[in-house]
Parts: sequence; C-alpha cells; structure tokens
Amino acid sequence: NAGVMQNPRHLVRRRGQEARLRCSPMKGHSHVYWYRQLPEEGLKFMVYLQKENIIDESGMPKERFSAEFPKEGPSILRIQQVVRGDSAAYFCASSQRAGAIHEQYFGPGTRLTVT
Amino acid sequence: DAKTTQPPSMDCAEGRAANLPCNHSTISGNEYVYWYRQIHSQGPQYIIHGLKNNETNEMASLIITEDRKSSTLILPHATLRDTAVYYCIVRLRDSGNTPLVFGKGTRLSVIA
Repeated sequence: NAGVMQNPRHLVRRRGQEARLRCSPMKGHSHVYWYRQLPEEGLKFMVYLQKENIIDESGMPKERFSAEFPKEGPSILRIQQVVRGDSAAYFCASSQRAGAIHEQYFGPGTRLTVT
Repeated sequence: DAKTTQPPSMDCAEGRAANLPCNHSTISGNEYVYWYRQIHSQGPQYIIHGLKNNETNEMASLIITEDRKSSTLILPHATLRDTAVYYCIVRLRDSGNTPLVFGKGTRLSVIA
C-alpha cells in the first residue's frame, strides 16, 4: 500500500450532502482505479481513469457518481446527494502500466458513512 | 474472466501452514491465477500469481493443479498478522482495461 494516498480516511455525510474522495497515485503512475466495498462484501470495480480521461466506467452508478483525474492533482470521486446505501469503503489503486493487476497498488481507503 | 470458488472461512494455528484452496474449473489456457489479501481496514495487497507452474516468493507459495482447474495458496508459517481475507482472481495477465473481479474470498483466522 505504500505510496497511494487517500483522503480523508473517514468521512461522515448527512443524506443529501456531497462527498468528495481524493486519491493521489504513486509517483509516476498515470492509471487510477476506484473500487467500492460494501460491508461484508468483496471489492467492486467502479471506474478506471488515465490522466484526464475516463477509460472504463462500467461499474459506476448512472446517477450521482462522477470521477475525474486531472492533469495536475489527485483523482476525485464525487458522490452527489448521498444516500445511506452509499455507506461503504472506497479504495483507489494506481498502476504505471494499464491492465497488469499485480502492479496495481491500493490505497488505505476512505470509509464513507451516511447518516 | 473465469469464475472462482473459495471457502468462506478457515482457521489456522499460528506457526502452522495455511493452505487456502481455490476452484477455477472454467479457466482458459491464457488466464493466470492471482492472489490478493485484504487485512482488516486496509486496501488489498498483491501476494503472488502463476500460470501453470508452481510459484514461490517471500510471502507464499502457489500450487496449481496439472489441469489448472484449482490452486492452493500456501502460507508456510502463518502468523497472527496473516489474518485477512484472501482473494483468488483468474485473469489474463495484461487484460487492458477490463476491471478486476473480486469475489467474497476466504476469511483466514490465524489463532494463537
């Protein structure tokens, strides 16, 4: 997990508020992946981004969720109008080379609680 | 990617070998077997991967059956810090943009 930074580590939001989760990939990594883990479940892929581009968003809910990875700065996962079902741990991973999964390094996660 | 089946939980005494099985009967010829683990409240950590030969690294050994329909991850001397959920994933090594598919894994409890 060394090198991939996520913040905040814990985030509490009331229903209807917005949540912004940040992921700073390892130095030199230009590929970022976001996963969500519901309580007692395995990780589910959400979105894969390369600098300034969304490559695969097949796991993203159609509404309220968006992601970006600007040229400068961290990748942002944004959840608008949060609901209780959004409570989960959100992990990002980064890699230097697309698709090579053993080279994906995961961050410590952000635990979102919606009250 | 092929589907995998793992037991939901296992116990192992500290200092003994932990053998975690995984069935992947629909694996195709060019798919690799990868193992990750997730210690409580942390992100997943890569352990090992293999195609058909047995593999060993500083963390674990991977034994893949000759027909490749199942494999076993071996932690030779389990410690309390090995308590985690272990995920077996079958995948093409360079799958481009396809997402990782994590199942529910095996929850390994190492007992003192």
